[in-house]
Amino acid sequence: DGGITQSPKYLFRKEGQNVTLSCEQNLNHDAMYWYRQDPGQGLRLIYYSQIVNDFQKGDIAEGYSVSREKKESFPLTVTSAQKNPTAFYLCASSGGQGFGNQPQHFGDGTRLSIL
Amino acid sequence: EDQVTQSPEALRLQEGESSSLNCSYTVSGLRGLFWYRQDPGKGPEFLFTLYSAGEEKEKERLKATLTKKESFLHITAPKPEDSATYLCAVKGGSNYKLTFGKGTLLTVNP
Repeated sequence: DGGITQSPKYLFRKEGQNVTLSCEQNLNHDAMYWYRQDPGQGLRLIYYSQIVNDFQKGDIAEGYSVSREKKESFPLTVTSAQKNPTAFYLCASSGGQGFGNQPQHFGDGTRLSIL
Repeated sequence: EDQVTQSPEALRLQEGESSSLNCSYTVSGLRGLFWYRQDPGKGPEFLFTLYSAGEEKEKERLKATLTKKESFLHITAPKPEDSATYLCAVKGGSNYKLTFGKGTLLTVNP
């Protein structure tokens, strides 16, 4: 079945530590996205990538970094500079390099907490 | 800047009691309005895309409609398994991103 796989499901970060969240898709989509979801707030865009080897900052990119070396993969690193990292992180993908009106499809998320 | 407001924040229904969720939006050049369902601890599941005013889409007990300022998600004779958070999002102009509302938490009691 085609879909988006995020791992791990739960992740704990210590002070001063960088952690990496994995996102893999087999939908053959060009565009991929990372969102952060906090209670009582809408999804907020962290980074997006329209094609391999290219990515752009979203609305809340500070303290995060990404790479896009393969079409299928878009890992997110939460760095120690992100002072409030506790949240539910969602990865999504869509066809058409993100422009147009194709829907975004989501993985089942990674919940990050601080130790 | 695109904006999406969903109401009510929470809705509690009895099984079989039909109702509607509202999504009001402002966007420059609507490319699409999207409805998603999200279960606790899961990612949003795509339901519908609406492209222009007057359009309607249906899936089982759900029907989505669109005007120039808002969209409604009508739920007919809901069942407990329809309990979830329903998210609305818009994409406008030449924008790359979706703007999401905060969602409506629907609870259907047996």
